[in-house]
Amino acid sequence: NAGVTQTPKFQVLKTGQSMTLQCAQDMNHEYMSWYRQDPGMGLRLIHYSVGAGITDQGEVPNGYNVSRSTTEDFPLRLLSAAPSQTSVYFCASSYPTGNGYTFGSGTRLTVV
Amino acid sequence: KQEVTQIPAALSVPEGENLVLNCSFTDSAIYNLQWFRQDPGKGLTSLLLIQSSQREQTSGRLNASLDKSSGRSTLYIAASQPGDSATYLCAVYSGGGADGLTFGKGTHLIIQP
Repeated sequence: NAGVTQTPKFQVLKTGQSMTLQCAQDMNHEYMSWYRQDPGMGLRLIHYSVGAGITDQGEVPNGYNVSRSTTEDFPLRLLSAAPSQTSVYFCASSYPTGNGYTFGSGTRLTVV
Repeated sequence: KQEVTQIPAALSVPEGENLVLNCSFTDSAIYNLQWFRQDPGKGLTSLLLIQSSQREQTSGRLNASLDKSSGRSTLYIAASQPGDSATYLCAVYSGGGADGLTFGKGTHLIIQP
C-alpha cells in the first residue's frame, strides 16, 4: 500500500543513548517532515526537507539531526536522548507547497 | 508566526446531531488548510484539503469551509455517528520560513450512542 512507513512503532531508550527513527515514503513526494506530538502542545515541526539533499530546521530542532540522501527516505536521529524527548513522533510527506500531507502511523518513544 | 486555534477543545453530543468544529488562524497568507482525524494511539488520517482559492470541500457527511480573509475554517459533520468519535485536527500550510504544517491543538469529539 502506498504511504508513509515509520519504524519502529515503539522504543524505550536510556538517557544518553542515540537512535534513528526511520521514515520511508513511496509516493515520490518531494516534501518530507518530522513532527512531535506532546499532550497540551499539539504537533510541532522538528525538521523538514523540500527535496533530496536539502534539509532545514523547524520549530523544535534541538537534539535532533536529519539527512535526506534519497527522495524516499528521511531518517531522524536522536544524538543523546533526554527525558524531554519522550513523545510520539510522526513523519509526513507531501507534494510541493504542502499539497496534501500524508502521515505515518507514528513512533512512540520513551526516554528513561 | 502563524498560530492556529481550535474551538471547542472538547465536545460531547448525542448520536444523530449535526455539529460544527471551528478553526482559526492568525496569518491569512496560506496555501491550503487540511483537516485530519486522529484516533487514540493512532496516526493522522487526512479528511479534507482546501486550497486557498477554494471556499469549501465535501466528502460524504463532512463539509469543510474556508474563509481565508477572516482566517477561519469550519468542519461540518452531518448526522453524527459513534464511529465519528476521535480528535479532529486543523492544520494550515503557509510555506516560506519553516516549511511545514502549523497545527491547532484539536477538538476531542465524543458521539454518545
